[in-house]
Amino acid sequence: DTGVSQNPRHKITKRGQNVTFRCDPISEHNRLYWYRQTLGQGPEFLTYFQNEAQLEKSRLLSDRFSAERPKGSFSTLEIQRTEQGDSAMYLCASSWVLDSPLHFGNGTRLTVT
Amino acid sequence: DQQVKQNSPSLSVQEGRISILNCDYTNSMFDYFLWYKKYPAEGPTFLISISSIKDKNEDGRFTVFLNKSAKHLSLHIVPSQPGDSAVYFCAASDATSGTYKYIFGTGTRLKVLA
Repeated sequence: DTGVSQNPRHKITKRGQNVTFRCDPISEHNRLYWYRQTLGQGPEFLTYFQNEAQLEKSRLLSDRFSAERPKGSFSTLEIQRTEQGDSAMYLCASSWVLDSPLHFGNGTRLTVT
Repeated sequence: DQQVKQNSPSLSVQEGRISILNCDYTNSMFDYFLWYKKYPAEGPTFLISISSIKDKNEDGRFTVFLNKSAKHLSLHIVPSQPGDSAVYFCAASDATSGTYKYIFGTGTRLKVLA
């Protein structure tokens, strides 16, 4: 069990640029989640995949955000035309079945200047 | 609309004593609850969970209590150790409603004093 892996760990970008993050879940897990965390807050749900199907999206996920999980393995989260308000820790988590714990990666910290 | 609330932003406890972290929720349909610990620059780490059919679950030094009528859960750490110093999040989910998301509280920062 190598755990959930996220890359990059840190990303600094200028406002208006596009960024893409990658998440490799635990291999046996078919459920994958993206969360966002800002200072002083708990993780906020962004989106959920079961295998390759994106089954749920938060209203926090504006049109500038898109997530994919081709072939039900790794996932990418892209943010287009970044804004300073997008600065946050982006967390990926995976789980095996419903009502089982989420296993989180160490996150990608995005700073938009 | 904060459905999961942790009203104490911080807590300090002496090493060896009990730490009690509290969590309240508003959605009576929540049926699965979890506690996570988070160190700086790391992702949250799962600690312990409880299903709504139980009122207590233990794992070593960690015990979670669930009071469904009060919509309240608590995490007890006994004895507390300096390595327990971290931010603790509670989370809840409602699988029966067709949503898959886990909703997190805002966290409580625990400091265990040596």
